Amino acid sequence: KQEVTQIPAALSVPEGENLVLNCSFTDSAIYNLQWFRQDPGKGLTSLLLIQSSQREQTSGRLNASLDKSSGRSTLYIAASQPGDSATYLCAVVTEKLVFGKGTKLTVNP
Amino acid sequence: SAVISQKPSRDICQRGTSLTIQCQVDSQVTMMFWYRQQPGQSLTLIATANQGSEATYESGFVIDKFPISRPNLTFSTLTVSNMSPEDSSIYLCSVEGGLVGNEKLFFGSGTQLSVL
Repeated sequence: KQEVTQIPAALSVPEGENLVLNCSFTDSAIYNLQWFRQDPGKGLTSLLLIQSSQREQTSGRLNASLDKSSGRSTLYIAASQPGDSATYLCAVVTEKLVFGKGTKLTVNP
Repeated sequence: SAVISQKPSRDICQRGTSLTIQCQVDSQVTMMFWYRQQPGQSLTLIATANQGSEATYESGFVIDKFPISRPNLTFSTLTVSNMSPEDSSIYLCSVEGGLVGNEKLFFGSGTQLSVL
């Protein structure tokens, strides 16, 4: 059974800092991995999708990497801003989509 | 991409009553997914709704408790029946979209349900 773990559960950083969010999964036979952002009172917004054959994807200040063999993905956020404050979820697809519990990020001005 | 309108955004309900959540998509989609997010927990898939057929429920979820309708390719409802405080969660609908082979999940804004 696929299990997805996100560490840390919560993170607070000052504005401008670069940061890394971690996601690990137990079954490396995944089709893809997706990072989402969840804001209070809003749904999930897809940030980056990494196919199993890819090692990383970039969008603006976000960079996601994937190491299937070790069952890990990281989401790198450069020059963090208060508007980045949200919960970040990763999800992997094997037979079905399995989500982690998320990392709650607070960026302090 | 797909834009999903979900309502209500939140509700407070009494034990024993039922609530129907609606999702409208701006394009035709084959499958719609319904998720539950309990406090402090990850998203859990409740069921997959296909137009013209019965929804497929995941382990631990049953049709009597979570009846789903899918009358056409752009709309679906999820009903939470005979509610108890344990049903207090965020409920989200979702669809796949994007280029073939590079599909992403798109979500509605969620329904925050509190059962007293």
